[in-house]
Formats: sequence, structure tokens, C-alpha cells
Amino acid sequence: DGGITQSPKYLFRKEGQNVTLSCEQNLNHDAMYWYRQDPGQGLRLIYYSQIVNDFQKGDIAEGYSVSREKKESFPLTVTSAQKNPTAFYLCASSVSGRPGNGQFFGPGTRLTVL
Amino acid sequence: GQQLNQSPQSMFIQEGEDVSMNCTSSSIFNTWLWYKQDPGEGPVLLIALYKAGELTSNGRLTAQFGITRKDSFLNISASIPSDVGIYFCAGQLVSGTASKLTFGTGTRLQVTL
Repeated sequence: DGGITQSPKYLFRKEGQNVTLSCEQNLNHDAMYWYRQDPGQGLRLIYYSQIVNDFQKGDIAEGYSVSREKKESFPLTVTSAQKNPTAFYLCASSVSGRPGNGQFFGPGTRLTVL
Repeated sequence: GQQLNQSPQSMFIQEGEDVSMNCTSSSIFNTWLWYKQDPGEGPVLLIALYKAGELTSNGRLTAQFGITRKDSFLNISASIPSDVGIYFCAGQLVSGTASKLTFGTGTRLQVTL
């Protein structure tokens, strides 16, 4: 089955530690995205990547970093510089050059920083 | 970053009732999308709309792309308990080869028997 996987589902970290969230897709999509969701709010874009070895900042990139070394993978690192990292993180992918196809989401990772 | 205005924020309805929700923006979009999110899961795409005035159905769901390209509407007919969840609209503006989405704040739907 094609899809997007995120692991782990739940993640706990101590304050001041960096943590990396995994996102893998086997949909052969060129573009991948990371969103953050807080209670009662919509999704906010952190970073996105249109192609391997290239990525762009979204609306709330401060305190986060990404890499795109492989088409299938787009890991997100939440650094200690992120002031309020506890949130639900969602990864998505889409077909580049195909406007209007929408984005397909993974199941999410809930990060709690203690 | 911009977030789209969605209303209502939440609604309680009885099974069998019809539901309407809408989404408005201060800027225009090329495409409007509607997603449903179950608790603790990622959003799932329900309907995509590609041109102004378009009306599209998916089972009991019907969505419309507003004529001004600044709004969209979603209707659910004869609601059932599994319709419970959060419904998000999203406007899509193509930039280069990536499709950036701007999301609404969500409408939380609860269905009572």
C-alpha cells in the first residue's frame, strides 16, 4: 500500500534536547511538507521541499530544521531553540507540477516536551 | 502566516440532519480543498474544487468553489455518527512546482443519536 508513515506516534523529550521526527513516503511524490497543529487551530506550515536537496521555510520555521537527501524521506528536527515545541506534527506530500491534486497526510507525531 | 476563517467553529447536530459550513479568505485561491481529521490522525482529503462556481459531490458531501474565489462551502446531508471530526478547508495557491496550502481554523462536528 502506498502512503506516508510517521514515527513514532508519541514522543517525549526533555526541555533543551533536540529531537528528530521521521517522515517517509512511497507515493513517488516530489514535494513534501511539515505542519504543526496546536489545539483549536488549523495547520501551520513549517518547511516544505519541492525536490531532493532543496527546501524552503514556511510560516513558522524558527527553531526547526529539515533535510531532503532522498525523495522518500523528509525528517524534521525540533531544536532547543523552538520555544514551545509541544504540538502535533503532520507530514504531507504531493505531486509536483500537478496543481490542485492536494496534499496527502501522514498519521502525525505528537511531541511532548517535559 | 494567514489562516482562513471557518464557521461555525463547532456544531452539535442530531443524526439525520444536514450540515453546512463555510470558509472565507481575504485573498483568492486557484483551488479549494476540504479535509476531515479524526482525533489523533492526519487529515484526509474529501473534496477538491478547481474553478470558480464549481459544485462537486462525494457521496453525502457537496462542496462549492465561490464565484469570487475567496470562499468555499461544504454541505453534509443526512449526517451519521461517523461524520464526527474536524473539517478543515484549505486554499491552494501554486508557487513554482509546490502546492502551498493555507488552512482554515476548522469546524468541529459532533453528531448525537
